[in-house]
Amino acid sequence: DVQVVESGGGLVQPGRSLRLSCAASGFIFNDYAMHWVRQAPGKGLEWVSGISWNSDSVGYADSVKGRFTVSRDNAKNSMYLQMNSLRGDDTALYFCARDLTAYNSVRGATLAYWGQGTQVTVSS
Amino acid sequence: DIQLTQSPSSLSASVGDRVTITCQATQDIREYLNWYQQKPGQAPRLLLYDASNLQAGVPSRFSGGGSGTDFTFIISSLQPEDIATYYCQQYDNVPLTFGGGTKVEIK
Repeated sequence: DVQVVESGGGLVQPGRSLRLSCAASGFIFNDYAMHWVRQAPGKGLEWVSGISWNSDSVGYADSVKGRFTVSRDNAKNSMYLQMNSLRGDDTALYFCARDLTAYNSVRGATLAYWGQGTQVTVSS
Repeated sequence: DIQLTQSPSSLSASVGDRVTITCQATQDIREYLNWYQQKPGQAPRLLLYDASNLQAGVPSRFSGGGSGTDFTFIISSLQPEDIATYYCQQYDNVPLTFGGGTKVEIK
């Protein structure tokens, strides 16, 4: 079965950094684009970032551009989100999601498989 | 960025009712639109992709259509387990964007 599991969330002070991880199993990780989507408490879904299957293309929401960096390690079946200069409005549940179709760029994303999320709280 | 406007933001309907949700994009996105269901405390679930294609395992009472800027999502006969918030999402361009969501409740 396809599984993606997020980790690395927690309570962090404004201005500090945090690194999220997404561990994948049950499919050929190398073949699929991966994405981060977040949901602030009581709010809707917001796409944060994505990375293509071969890391050739990456994308970011305007709200995190310049502060967050997405990466993947295909040897470890894992994707990461390095979050710097964290702000209160970054507080959210962060989901990892896999694309439906293999060999997609970031642009063509249909988010078919989701983890349960990892909570990030930015507060002093 | 492409904005998606969902209507209504919430609705209340009876079991067995036909429910329709609309999603309007600020520019032509062809058929590059997906629909998701999210139940409280759960991750979103993909229901429809490419505007009208049913994801594997999704009941046939869910359907969708449209192209360009105007899209619809339909539940043909509302069931108690359909209580959830529904989101549209475009993938014509980056950044990917979601609609604001439609909360569906039972009357």
